[in-house]
This record gives sequence, structure tokens and C-alpha cells, in this order.
Amino acid sequence: GENVEQHPSTLSVQEGDSAVIKCTYSDSASNYFPWYKQELGKRPQLIIDIRSNVGEKKDQRIAVTLNKTAKHFSLHITETQPEDSAVYFCAARSGLGASKIIFGSGTRLSIRP
Amino acid sequence: DVKVTQSSRYLVKRTGEKVFLECVQDMDHENMFWYRQDPGLGLRLIYFSYDVKMKEKGDIPEGYSVSREKKERFSLILESASTNQTSMYLCASSPPRPHQETQYFGPGTRLLVL
Repeated sequence: GENVEQHPSTLSVQEGDSAVIKCTYSDSASNYFPWYKQELGKRPQLIIDIRSNVGEKKDQRIAVTLNKTAKHFSLHITETQPEDSAVYFCAARSGLGASKIIFGSGTRLSIRP
Repeated sequence: DVKVTQSSRYLVKRTGEKVFLECVQDMDHENMFWYRQDPGLGLRLIYFSYDVKMKEKGDIPEGYSVSREKKERFSLILESASTNQTSMYLCASSPPRPHQETQYFGPGTRLLVL
């Protein structure tokens, strides 16, 4: 079955700097890769996603890149702000037409003032 | 605005008790999911359901069962709670195609089994 690995588990960056979180997946048939953000004490929420027919997607300060050959995808946050502090989860959808999504283990991002 | 609610935010139970966790969504979503969240392990899928009375095992179904008698409600049952089931439990739902990928989460239930 699908396996999603996420690195690093914790990340601390200076406010204003960029943060990068990386994930790898095992199932070459996976075709959808969302990223969820979970602020302290709150529920996870979708922040950006990418499909396998696209190499990069950007939404203001966040972007996601996908390398299908290497089965890697990454989240990039530029000009980080205190409100970016949260746990971020990558995920991959496994199987054609299936709704099942496999999550990575999460990255705790801290923004230093 | 999608709303997913869970019956309890915090729950304390004793070993061996039968525990029911309830999840309700108000957006007529076909798909519903139960995850448990543990530090360093991310969100692990316990069970999911893509229709009323339908259920599929996730990655860690042992010790759990589910019930989906109505479309809006998905229940997670711990038949005989054990201390290793102490965790945060998150319910989620997702709409039908073509937007089925986006999962909307409930606030979570933090379960402590003594």
C-alpha cells in the first residue's frame, strides 16, 4: 500500500525566511497530493494541493512542487510570519478513484521572531 | 460552510469499557473517515465509509469498529478500550467527485483510557 514519508519532523526558521518541507511517496499510481495545516488546538485544514499532471502550484506565499519521477513533493513557504507556526501534514491519495488519503507524520514549524 | 462536529472534545474511560465516538457532518458528504493522531505518527486511518452502511478498513482497524446507519453520521466504536487507545481521534468527511479529495475535519476527541 501507499506510504508517505515526511521530513523534517521539526523545523525552526527566522521570521521572514523561507521554510521547506519534503515528502516522498511509494505508490506510483498516486495522483493527488494535498497539504494540511494544523494550528495548535485546532483541526487540520487544507492549504494547498497539487495533482500529478502539474509540476508546481503557487498560492501567495506558499507553493508546492511535485517530481513524479522521483516520487517527491515539497511545500515551500516564503517570507514566513508568526501565523505560519503550526504542524504541517503532507498526504497522497492512493488508488484510482479511491477517497483514501495517506498522511505523512507531520512537521512542526516554529517561526522565531 | 462545511461543519463537522464530534460528540465530545474530551473523554475519560476505563480499560474494558465500550466507547462510542460520534461524528456528524451537515454537507451531505458521501465519504467519512476516522483517524487517530499521535505525536510523531501523523494521522493514521482507522476506518472509512463511502456510503451508508458501507465501511472499509484503514491502516489500523484492530480494536475498532464503525457504524454508518445514516449519511450524516459516522460512529467509531472501541469494543473494549485499552490504554494503548489513548489518543486524539479525528473525524473527517469529503464531498462526492470531482471534489472528493478535500477532507474537512472535526475538532477532535481527546480520549484517555485509564
